Amino acid sequence: QKEVEQNSGPLSVPEGAIASLNCTYSDRGSQSFFWYRQYSGKSPELIMSIYSNGDKEDGRFTAQLNKASQYVSLLIRDSQPSDSATYLCAASSGYSTLTFGKGTMLLVSP
Amino acid sequence: AAGVIQSPRHLIKEKRETATLKCYPIPRHDTVYWYQQGPGQDPQFLISFYEKMQSDKGSIPDRFSAQQFSDYHSELNMSSLELGDSALYFCASSPGLAGYEQYFGPGTRLTVT
Repeated sequence: QKEVEQNSGPLSVPEGAIASLNCTYSDRGSQSFFWYRQYSGKSPELIMSIYSNGDKEDGRFTAQLNKASQYVSLLIRDSQPSDSATYLCAASSGYSTLTFGKGTMLLVSP
Repeated sequence: AAGVIQSPRHLIKEKRETATLKCYPIPRHDTVYWYQQGPGQDPQFLISFYEKMQSDKGSIPDRFSAQQFSDYHSELNMSSLELGDSALYFCASSPGLAGYEQYFGPGTRLTVT
């Protein structure tokens, strides 16, 4: 059974702070990892994809992957109230489809 | 940039009725995925198609069927609707199968009364 685990939160951070979201996965065959942001009642929006160990930065977002520890994280710098949403971690192995975690709710207070 | 289009955006049906949801992928994307998301749940994979052939199957009830057409759009057909089928249904598309990024459409909110 492929599983992706995330803390459900909520994770509360003040505006301007760094938010750190974490995810672990059970399938060692997983090769592709994604972070989606989802506002209530809306569709998941792709934020970051990461395929190799290390860090990948895109604007205020940094994804980190450690395949040995089966661990993926997302850092959001200079958090804004508009970042308040549920963040879904997803993993894929080869030709299989995405396995999603249950999401972490992030609350950024002004 | 063009996004995934889904129709209708909202649908209200009664128990035992049928429903058809449509999905138009991003241009040049040949792979389509269907997901169901209940309140407070993560998206659950239903079925996917690559080049008009079923590529993977998840927790799709036997009452549901889907296909991908020659223009790559896809339709999800749902029969004998039950109250528990009320959910958001998302379609996503990607430019291939193996670990490509999936882009989600706005979803169809299905309410079964």
